[in-house]
Amino acid sequence: GAVVSQHPSRVICKSGTSVKIECRSLDFQATTMFWYRQFPKQSLMLMATSNEGSKATYEQGVEKDKFLINHASLTLSTLTVTSAHPEDSSFYICSARDIAGEETQYFGPGTRLLVL
Amino acid sequence: AQTVTQSQPEMSVQEAETVTLSCTYDTSENNYYLFWYKQPPSRQMILVIRQEAYKQQNATENRFSVNFQKAAKSFSLKISDSQLGDTAMYFCAFMRRNNDMRFGAGTRLTVKP
Repeated sequence: GAVVSQHPSRVICKSGTSVKIECRSLDFQATTMFWYRQFPKQSLMLMATSNEGSKATYEQGVEKDKFLINHASLTLSTLTVTSAHPEDSSFYICSARDIAGEETQYFGPGTRLLVL
Repeated sequence: AQTVTQSQPEMSVQEAETVTLSCTYDTSENNYYLFWYKQPPSRQMILVIRQEAYKQQNATENRFSVNFQKAAKSFSLKISDSQLGDTAMYFCAFMRRNNDMRFGAGTRLTVKP
């Protein structure tokens, strides 16, 4: 089956530092990947859509200069939280759509970010 | 804009019994996809079942089946012979072709022994 990995699974950082999260499709190619944010006991909120070789599309209210997204290949997208602050602490999940398969999104295991 | 509504924040069921989780959605599209995802305590999103809107036949996956009512824009999930491992958050999701996915608020299901 389609597998998506995320790295790291959890990260603790100091306020003001930047954190990079990687999302990889392991056994399929993904022209489109998605980044979500999930607060405790809440649903997933789409942050941005990442397209291979082009700029990401951000949802309203999401700061593109704070959440930098790069989709350099068909199997890798990265999300960088720049100058992280405690309010950025959350669970970040990526998903990928298989270009050759059905219209389905496969999700990574998520990254728990804690900013001190 | 597409919206997805899950009106049951929490549900519980006895082991081996059947439970139905409700989901309604709003869209003006005719061609789209509907999903149910399960999120256990590990927080990994797991695809439970998928339905294509142009297919009238309800999707089934072992103990999981849906009741897809396109005219009513309803997409409920039935879990038969509930197992303890079914305890999780369940999210209903809507996706247009080549587009992003929109999620409902989720239903927390507890299977009691």
